[in-house]
Amino acid sequence: AQSVAQPEDQVNVAEGNPLTVKCTYSVSGNPYLFWYVQYPNRGLQFLLKYITGDNLVKGSYGFEAEFNKSQTSFHLKKPSALVSDSALYFCAVRDPPPLYNFNKFYFGSGTKLNVKP
Amino acid sequence: DGGITQSPKYLFRKEGQNVTLSCEQNLNHDAMYWYRQDPGQGLRLIYYSQIVNDFQKGDIAEGYSVSREKKESFPLTVTSAQKNPTAFYLCASRQAGTGDNEQFFGPGTRLTVL
Repeated sequence: AQSVAQPEDQVNVAEGNPLTVKCTYSVSGNPYLFWYVQYPNRGLQFLLKYITGDNLVKGSYGFEAEFNKSQTSFHLKKPSALVSDSALYFCAVRDPPPLYNFNKFYFGSGTKLNVKP
Repeated sequence: DGGITQSPKYLFRKEGQNVTLSCEQNLNHDAMYWYRQDPGQGLRLIYYSQIVNDFQKGDIAEGYSVSREKKESFPLTVTSAQKNPTAFYLCASRQAGTGDNEQFFGPGTRLTVL
């Protein structure tokens, strides 16, 4: 079965410093990888995705993620953190077609990002 | 949360009652999903539907039921068989047919059992 792991429950960073939120995956075949952000008592918002192509993916709000096949990782990054980036971040993977459950997504447990002024 | 509405925002249930959570989307998406979110556990899939009149159980379907009679609607019923229903429930949809479409999420319903 497909799965993702987010090894850090919480990441603390000072405003203006670079941030990294880690994600590793386990899939059969080529992975379809996603990052989402959740603000308190809200639904998830899509940030970016990797399907194929360039290993560095750029997304919303200045975020980017690097796909590393040899390390089976898809870490989320931002060069300069903002206090407003403080939120819960989820990594997700899905089965690529034509696997039977290709509409099914598998989410990590989430990483809480705290950006301090 | 564009295009997906969930109601109510807060719901209180007495023990032994069934309750139904509403999810409506106007994005013309084929696939719809229900997730349960508990602190520290991320999102767990309850049910998903890839097309009207069809749905599949997710990882924690026991005590829940769904229907998909219309493309835009995917209501979730939390039955009295669900022993610990207090949680935040999220509905999502996506356009099926291509491999790379992301999910769009509603704002969520917080269910509390009294």
